[in-house]
Amino acid sequence: EPEVTQTPSHQVTQMGQEVILRCVPISNHLYFYWYRQILGQKVEFLVSFYNNEISEKSEIFDDQFSVERPDGSNFTLKIRSTKLEDSAMYFCASRRDEGGYTFGSGTRLTVV
Amino acid sequence: AQSVTQPDIHITVSEGASLELRCNYSYGATPYLFWYVQSPGQGLQLLLKYFSGDTLVQGIKGFEAEFKRSQSSFNLRKPSVHWSDAAEYFCAVGAGGGFKTIFGAGTRLFVKA
Repeated sequence: EPEVTQTPSHQVTQMGQEVILRCVPISNHLYFYWYRQILGQKVEFLVSFYNNEISEKSEIFDDQFSVERPDGSNFTLKIRSTKLEDSAMYFCASRRDEGGYTFGSGTRLTVV
Repeated sequence: AQSVTQPDIHITVSEGASLELRCNYSYGATPYLFWYVQSPGQGLQLLLKYFSGDTLVQGIKGFEAEFKRSQSSFNLRKPSVHWSDAAEYFCAVGAGGGFKTIFGAGTRLFVKA
């Protein structure tokens, strides 16, 4: 069964540092997403990406966040200057058509 | 605005008993509806989805869900729960041009022996 792969599984960073979370979506999928889940809270939409551009983003996805698909296989989320409140589990997801998403296992980001 | 409500924060059932997890949604058009399961420390796994057609949909692991438009509900059911079903269950609705998915707050299922 094809999988969405996320690396690293756990990242600890100091406040103010930049982090890049990496994802390899399923190869024939066309739509890509980032979600986050703060501990004990609901899963929140961050951004969707299609045809090499952002198609929709939430209020959470401010100027500190950016996404990129640099090489046709990887899909990255960059947080420029991390804050304590960015600590969360970040999930990458992809889909091919009007189906449900396939989610990765997530990256747990801890900002100290 | 689109929203998903899961009224039960947690539910405890005995192994072998039947299960129903409730989900209500608010959406302007015919929604795309999903149920996901999340085991502790794991990602989200799609259990089943509804787009159109038969309102009773079958999913993996013996789960099913029924779409009731009149009640704006999409409840998840399983006739006989196994201890391995203990997890968090999220109902979700697909919405918007980017087809973002809006999640409910989740229902944590505990299974007792």
